[in-house]
Amino acid sequence: QVQLQESGPGLVKPSETLSLTCTVSGGPISTYFWTWIRQPPGKGLEWIGHINYSGRTNYSPSLKSRVTISMDTSKKEFSLKVNSVTTADTAVYYCARVGFSYDSGTHYPQEIQYWGRGALVTVSS
Amino acid sequence: DIQMTQSPSSLSASVGDRVTITCRASQDIRNHLAWYQQRPGKVPQILIQSASTLQSGVPSRFSGSGSGTHFTLTISSLQPEDVATYYCQKYNSAPLTFGPGTKVDLK
Repeated sequence: QVQLQESGPGLVKPSETLSLTCTVSGGPISTYFWTWIRQPPGKGLEWIGHINYSGRTNYSPSLKSRVTISMDTSKKEFSLKVNSVTTADTAVYYCARVGFSYDSGTHYPQEIQYWGRGALVTVSS
Repeated sequence: DIQMTQSPSSLSASVGDRVTITCRASQDIRNHLAWYQQRPGKVPQILIQSASTLQSGVPSRFSGSGSGTHFTLTISSLQPEDVATYYCQKYNSAPLTFGPGTKVDLK
């Protein structure tokens, strides 16, 4: 069974960088898309971005200037960095595995298949 | 970018009621739509992909329909364990935007 586990600091100061890592077990890290999603307290889900098996990334337009997603296939991990955080970045951060379809040499992201348990990150001084 | 909307934002229904939630895309997304259920305090779980394909293990009282820009999630007979917030999400091309959610509780 595929499992994902988020790890990282639960408290970050304003203007600093939020860093989280997701460790994948029970399945390959290659082939799929790997995504980060966040949910501020009491609010809805927000897609942050994803990285695919070849390291190509896509980001939410509203976060693109502050977000970096990277992958270390040897460790079966992928990571999220959000720069210059404010209190608005306080949220539960989920990592997840995204299915894919394949057409004419291109992989396309599909539905979210597996979710991590989520990690609450609070931005506060 | 394609925007996703949902209606209603919340609803209250009785056990056994038929419940319908609507999701709309601002542009044609064909059938590239998933529905997720998030029970209170829990991680979201997928219910439906490709607009109408029920995920393995999901009760048959859940169904999805639609294509293009208009989609619906129907619960044919609401059960107490269905109290949750339901989200639609478009996929196949980034950004993979979620709808704002529909909160379902018991009357």
